[in-house]
Amino acid sequence: QVQLVEFGGGVVQPGRSLRLSCVASGFTFTSYAMHWVRQAPGKGLEWVAVISYDGSDEYYADSVKGRFTISRDNSKNTLYVQMNSLRTDDTAVYYCTRGTGSSSLDSWGQGTLVTVSS
Amino acid sequence: QAVLTQPSSLSASPGASASLTCTLRSGINVGTYRIYWYQQKPGSPPQYLLRYKSDSDKQQASGVPSRFSGSKDASANAGILLISGLQSEDDADYYCMIWHSNNVVFGGGTKLTVL
Repeated sequence: QVQLVEFGGGVVQPGRSLRLSCVASGFTFTSYAMHWVRQAPGKGLEWVAVISYDGSDEYYADSVKGRFTISRDNSKNTLYVQMNSLRTDDTAVYYCTRGTGSSSLDSWGQGTLVTVSS
Repeated sequence: QAVLTQPSSLSASPGASASLTCTLRSGINVGTYRIYWYQQKPGSPPQYLLRYKSDSDKQQASGVPSRFSGSKDASANAGILLISGLQSEDDADYYCMIWHSNNVVFGGGTKLTVL
């Protein structure tokens, strides 16, 4: 079955960096676009970024553009997001999710919590 | 004005039907968009429910009961998630989503209480 497992969350000071990883299994990773979606405590879902199946295209939410970089290593079935210049409002659970050909986000990881605090 | 607007809460009784709306911002025509719906229960990631653009362009996610269905109200410029025969397990947050200008956009979510 499809599995997405996120790693790398934790507590980080404002202005610092953090990299999250998402290891995928149970499907052909190289056939799917992948997304990061976040959810601040007690708040709704916020899309962060998407990367195409081969890594050739990336799109970002305005709130993270220029600070976050999404990438993937298809040889390792792993999705990443490099988060720089972190702010307190980046505090959230970050979910890795699979994008289908019909553009739904059909499978989600359990999420990893990032807390930005001094 | 947000791209997608959802009522923050809705209450309904077991066995009844609930209609959850997702209103698109003025100038964004609901007729041209696929509306995706997700359910999220406390402590769990969201779960994809279904997609609806028209009766000829729709998709039910695997394992999602047929009592969950999608539609549109063009006059209100809104997508609708209809849940019939409400059960206690339907008590959850529901989010709509569209693709807009190469970005994914979520609505703010509706907390559905079944009581």
